[in-house]
Amino acid sequence: GQQLNQSPQSMFIQEGEDVSMNCTSSSIFNTWLWYKQDPGEGPVLLIALYKAGELTSNGRLTAQFGITRKDSFLNISASIPSDVGIYFCAAVGLDSNYQLIWGAGTKLIIKP
Amino acid sequence: NAGVTQTPKFRILKIGQSMTLQCTQDMNHNYMYWYRQDPGMGLKLIYYSVGAGITDKGEVPNGYNVSRSTTEDFPLRLELAAPSQTSVYFCASSSRGLDTYNEQFFGPGTRLTVL
Repeated sequence: GQQLNQSPQSMFIQEGEDVSMNCTSSSIFNTWLWYKQDPGEGPVLLIALYKAGELTSNGRLTAQFGITRKDSFLNISASIPSDVGIYFCAAVGLDSNYQLIWGAGTKLIIKP
Repeated sequence: NAGVTQTPKFRILKIGQSMTLQCTQDMNHNYMYWYRQDPGMGLKLIYYSVGAGITDKGEVPNGYNVSRSTTEDFPLRLELAAPSQTSVYFCASSSRGLDTYNEQFFGPGTRLTVL
């Protein structure tokens, strides 16, 4: 079946550093999504991407829909303590039958 | 506006017991979903519904049942709990389905342990 490979699994960074994570697949998707999950909460949508090559920003977050339609990345600039959490990529396939495919998540930890 | 609410927040079940996880949304969304999240993994779709009276299986439906008698409520039923069903369960809703993606709003989750 369709799978998303998300990396890295976890990141330990200093406050103020930039962060980069990505999601790849062998399958083609027509929508890429990035969610953030805080501890004890459900995921919240950060950015949605609908066209290959699209680059979209949301504050300090920037995400891109890969030109091959098989990957996406998320950048966070100048990280702050409230950025900690788990970031998930998700994608909608061409024949998704209403199913979102989810990556395993990237856990972001900010070193004091 | 409460959004998507789930009860209970936590539950411990013995093997073979049954229970219903409740989910309610007040956004008048037609589409509702149940996911499970295992440690270190992404979400897996259990069941979804495109409107009252209509439900369909997701990726991992075995051991679960759902019903959708109203637009607001989408309960998930576990009939014979097994340790493999230990997980965090999330309910979500959206105003449209995924043929043209519309944002899914998630509840806070139910953490279930089966011993």
